[in-house]
Formats: sequence, C-alpha cells, structure tokens
Amino acid sequence: AQTVTQSQPEMSVQEAETVTLSCTYDTSESDYYLFWYKQPPSRQMILVIRQEAYKQQNATENRFSVNFQKAAKSFSLKISDSQLGDAAMYFCAYRYTYTGNQFYFGTGTSLTVIP
Amino acid sequence: KAGVTQTPRYLIKTRGQQVTLSCSPISGHRSVSWYQQTPGQGLQFLFEYFSETQRNKGNFPGRFSGRQFSNSRSEMNVSTLELGDSALYLCASSLATASGGPGYAAGELFFGEGSRLTVL
Repeated sequence: AQTVTQSQPEMSVQEAETVTLSCTYDTSESDYYLFWYKQPPSRQMILVIRQEAYKQQNATENRFSVNFQKAAKSFSLKISDSQLGDAAMYFCAYRYTYTGNQFYFGTGTSLTVIP
Repeated sequence: KAGVTQTPRYLIKTRGQQVTLSCSPISGHRSVSWYQQTPGQGLQFLFEYFSETQRNKGNFPGRFSGRQFSNSRSEMNVSTLELGDSALYLCASSLATASGGPGYAAGELFFGEGSRLTVL
C-alpha cells in the first residue's frame, strides 16, 4: 500500500521568511500525482499545489513551490514570503493515476507564522 | 459557484446508534469521495462514488456504507456506532472525466467543511 510520511508535526516561520515542509512517499507505481493541501483552523481543505509525476519540472504557484525528487520519492513544499494567512495544517497527498480519487494523505504539518 | 456542502456540521450520537451524513457536491462534479479525519490516524479514505456507483473503497468495516443519487449528492451511513468512530468526516467532489478502468483522468478534490461526529 502507498504511504505518505510527513516527519515534521509542527513548524514555525517568521512572517516574510521562507519555510520548507517535508514529505516522502512510498509507491511502486510510476504514474501518479502528488499534492499539497492546506487546512486552516476550522475551515475547509484547499489545494495548494499539484505535481504530475511524469513532469520533471517542479510545480510553482505564486509563493508556493515544490521540490520533487522522484527517485528519492521526496516532495517538499517551499513557502516564500510567509504571510499570517499561511498558518494552517498542511497535508501532503498521493494519488495513483489509475485509481480515481483514492488519495493517501500524510499526517500533516502544523505551520505557525510568527508576526 | 457554490462549494461542497455537508450536513449536518455537528452531531452527537451514542454507541450503538446509526448516523447518516449528507454531501452535496459542486454543480457538475460527478465524483464524490469520503474521508475520515482523526487526530491519531489522520485522513483516511472511505469510498468514492461516481455516477451512482462505488468505484473505490478504503479499508473500513462494513458498518460504513454510502450511496450516490442521480443528482450526484451522496450520503454515508455508519451503523452500530463505536466510540472510535468519533471523527471529522470530510466529503470531497471532483470533476472526474470518465468512469472506471485504467487511463481515466480525475481532477483535484474540492472539500466540504466536514461533519464532526462525536460518539458518547
């Protein structure tokens, strides 16, 4: 079974600084997607960024970027110029291409942004 | 466009009872997935429905069931509730483009705010 590991239960960052959240995953498949989702306190989860495994180029969405290392099965999220609104629980997730919407989530990293 | 709507938002039940949770997906989304979120286990996949058919199922006992209606709305039911069923139940919809088999595409998940179930 696929597993997703987030080894940092909690992280903190100063406002305007950069922080990197780690994620590793285990799969024997070659076609899959990786995601970072954000869950603010008492609010719904929203997609931050997505990476297709067949793409070598790292995905970027404004202040959010990933470092995707397929061979190492590593998928870290970098948040630049951190803002107070970035404070949330961040989940790394894996989805095999051919099994629809069965996502495997990590246990999450709670990010605190310090003013 | 309205988001994913889950009802009820909060509910309290006692052991042995059953509960039904409802999810209305984003208009046009035909795939609805359910996840259980607990502090200890994190987010775990329950099942996915597409066009009224269950096409994926997670590793949960048969007490957990679901269905999807022709308008894509979905319900999940938990029978004979146990204390360990206390959790946040999240529904997510997706603009999946095809049903079943290898090679079909599935989009990102759009989550509702969840139904928080407490079992006493």
